[in-house]
Amino acid sequence: GAVVSQHPSWVICKSGTSVKIECRSLDFQATTMFWYRQFPKQSLMLMATSNEGSKATYEQGVEKDKFLINHASLTLSTLTVTSAHPEDSSFYICSASNLGLAGGKFYEQYFGPGTRLTVT
Amino acid sequence: AQSVTQLDSQVPVFEEAPVELRCNYSSSVSVYLFWYVQYPNQGLQLLLKYLSGSTLVKGINGFEAEFNKSQTSFHLRKPSVHISDTAEYFCAVSDRFGNEKLTFGTGTRLTIIP
Repeated sequence: GAVVSQHPSWVICKSGTSVKIECRSLDFQATTMFWYRQFPKQSLMLMATSNEGSKATYEQGVEKDKFLINHASLTLSTLTVTSAHPEDSSFYICSASNLGLAGGKFYEQYFGPGTRLTVT
Repeated sequence: AQSVTQLDSQVPVFEEAPVELRCNYSSSVSVYLFWYVQYPNQGLQLLLKYLSGSTLVKGINGFEAEFNKSQTSFHLRKPSVHISDTAEYFCAVSDRFGNEKLTFGTGTRLTIIP
């Protein structure tokens, strides 16, 4: 149980175009979803937190207008990288959580497999 | 705010030897502690977690970790490693007061030498 999928697993796009990444919780309802960015050989940096039906909360330094996050349902969140540039190339990972999955004790996050974005 | 320090960026270990990956954290409040493993080009998988109770926590794949409050450490150990343990290991913390955010360390690359 608690499986999270991401689509696509990798994508190549041209500079100036937009790309959308989907994150789905397959067998549970995710009250909260998180988007992370991981540079090569580095740790995960939280980009934003999204709750179903409300606006995402972005971390300091993350451009809201560039990284659009939509959490339209309890099983789907999307990250759209607008007007992508080569510096946006990275590994994007989402996670999903639901308090009830851990017996109400804490919010355990379940991670997707990641999406490799390459902007040429 | 919390921070996590993983002092070793790379750890090479011979197969069947024991290994310890170090993790120290800093926080002004009580925390939950986690170890995650990441295989190449994949997301993160939870190895184990410390919420409360016994300070020795056992996880999947034969790993265990010990929470030491006085030393603010949560080191990961395995008595005998296998080639399949080659991966990146991340230590993470979150606070206990409803904030779901995870703060990750910089990771330790574990390489198993045949």
